[in-house]
Amino acid sequence: AQRVTQPEKLLSVFKGAPVELKCNYSYSGSPELFWYVQYSRQRLQLLLRHISRESIKGFTADLNKGETSFHLKKPFAQEEDSAMYYCALKSSTLGRLYFGRGTQLTVWP
Amino acid sequence: DAEITQSPRHKITETGRQVTLACHQTWNHNNMFWYRQDLGHGLRLIHYSYGVQDTNKGEVSDGYSVSRSNTEDLPLTLESAASSQTSVYFCASSDGGASGGYNEQFFGPGTRLTVL
Repeated sequence: AQRVTQPEKLLSVFKGAPVELKCNYSYSGSPELFWYVQYSRQRLQLLLRHISRESIKGFTADLNKGETSFHLKKPFAQEEDSAMYYCALKSSTLGRLYFGRGTQLTVWP
Repeated sequence: DAEITQSPRHKITETGRQVTLACHQTWNHNNMFWYRQDLGHGLRLIHYSYGVQDTNKGEVSDGYSVSRSNTEDLPLTLESAASSQTSVYFCASSDGGASGGYNEQFFGPGTRLTVL
């Protein structure tokens, strides 16, 4: 069965520090993985998708099939990065998303 | 500009009442989804639709129903509201078919529902 695990509910770092939000998944097929972000008082929006291998707002995420992980990283956190982050897995057969429980990131000044 | 809207944005109701939350998108997307967001549970899928007249149950569909009579709308109905259904509800839509290709989901602003 497909499952997305985000082990940290809360994560706090200071501005300028590196940050890593963990995401592990279980899926029998070829996974498509995403990171969505929800800033305060805003709607959920797509941040990254693994197939594009891009860097958005300084964030990167690499799919590691051996470790079944898709951790989100940023070398120097900014206060405006404070938000709720969701890792999501797309089912190749059904097209729907499976979300993790989310990690609330706080970046202190 | 194309968008996805939800109404109402806030709703307070009583246990046992029927409640309908509206979702309207102007993207002309085939796929529409309803999620609930609860602390500690993240986003959980309630129902989804891949096109007109198509509906499917998600993980937490008990007590909820949807119908898809046109492309733009997917209303969510709580048949008999319960306090456990107090939550924030998000609607989303995406392009493409049910299984093919990458299709980013675009989310509405959410509806905060309180059941007393």
